[in-house]
Amino acid sequence: SAVISQKPSRDICQRGTSLTIQCQVDSQVTMMFWYRQQPGQSLTLIATANQGSEATYESGFVIDKFPISRPNLTFSTLTVSNMSPEDSSIYLCSVAGDSSGNTIYFGEGSWLTVV
Amino acid sequence: RKEVEQDPGPFNVPEGATVAFNCTYSNSASQSFFWYRQDCRKEPKLLMSVYSSGNEDGRFTAQLNRASQYISLLIRDSKLSDSATYLCVVSPSGSQGNLIFGKGTKLSVKP
Repeated sequence: SAVISQKPSRDICQRGTSLTIQCQVDSQVTMMFWYRQQPGQSLTLIATANQGSEATYESGFVIDKFPISRPNLTFSTLTVSNMSPEDSSIYLCSVAGDSSGNTIYFGEGSWLTVV
Repeated sequence: RKEVEQDPGPFNVPEGATVAFNCTYSNSASQSFFWYRQDCRKEPKLLMSVYSSGNEDGRFTAQLNRASQYISLLIRDSKLSDSATYLCVVSPSGSQGNLIFGKGTKLSVKP
């Protein structure tokens, strides 16, 4: 499996500010994904980060709120914009473990608390 | 109906016990099925894939019933280290990377 590093690992943010989470993978991967896990809830896919094109967002998530960059095959960023307490969550970067894209490996997550 | 439903638990069992978790899914076209394990304040990690024929990995046995849209995980001879939240995960047909997660079942194994 790939080694996935996320920064920051945790942060406390003021409402109305934005924070960018970085994800670095130790090998080139075609598909990178960003998930969110709100307290007591299941993981939910935010978007698929595509190298060389815009990210593909899932229903309920928009680019203005969660802009994503994917400048190369080993790196991606997710920005949480204009944060509110409802954005307090774990944000997880993940990559596909096989060609089907159905086995997913996660980074350690970024724990954000918005106050 | 939620897409993936699980017993919320918590399941509190003594060491050595056998424990079973159940999961149902709503999308009959789902193609792939998994159990993930998530330790407290950690990322989820793949425990095992689930196949129609059923599969076993040491003390862990997973089964899939497509007709009933039901998935199970059996843990035999529970260890303290098995304490975690177990996530039932389903992959809809043709949706690479878009895994649908259950909320998880919390297991606590006591000495």
